[in-house]
Amino acid sequence: QQQVKQSPQSLIVQKGGISIINCAYENTAFDYFPWYQQFPGKGPALLIAIRPDVSEKKEGRFTISFNKSAKQFSLHIMDSQPGDSATYFCAVPRYDYKLSFGAGTTVTVRA
Amino acid sequence: NAGVMQNPRHLVRRRGQEARLRCSPVKGHSHVYWYRQLPEEGLKFMVYLQKENIIDESGMPKERFSAEFPKEGPSILRIQQVVRGDSAAYFCASSPSLDNSPLHFGNGTRLTVT
Repeated sequence: QQQVKQSPQSLIVQKGGISIINCAYENTAFDYFPWYQQFPGKGPALLIAIRPDVSEKKEGRFTISFNKSAKQFSLHIMDSQPGDSATYFCAVPRYDYKLSFGAGTTVTVRA
Repeated sequence: NAGVMQNPRHLVRRRGQEARLRCSPVKGHSHVYWYRQLPEEGLKFMVYLQKENIIDESGMPKERFSAEFPKEGPSILRIQQVVRGDSAAYFCASSPSLDNSPLHFGNGTRLTVT
């Protein structure tokens, strides 16, 4: 069973600050590594994903950093906004074509 | 441009009743996944289906739970004789292919067993 460890469980950041969420895994199919964003009462929505052949990917205020040797990747939310308040899940592809999800990080951005 | 549609959004069942959860994938997607989410937890894989076939049901309890994805119509997750521990949010996701393409999730069905 794939183990995906996500931390922290929750974080509070001031508006304009940086939110950092970390994810560590054991084994993977090395296809791509996505982050999902979930608002209360909604389903998870793909936020950003990275292929393992690059170490960093940036889309707007969201950046994924990937450390293949350490089997870790992280999500950075720059200039955090109240609208970013949500739960974020990392996911790791398995060899059997399923995704294993982290337990989630609840981000609260205070104005 | 409809995404994954799940219904009902909320479902209340008494212990011992049956729950039927429906999922219509994104048009053109032939791969459907069901995940379960408990409060403060991540998403746990239950079952993976393609049209008319169950590919992997390793995450689904062997008793009381079943799933189908018929040639026509939505995918159905069926829970017989529900118990309080079945209370959770059930999410359906679809993808167009098997190569770990990003999953598109519905907004889930929140099942409450009283």
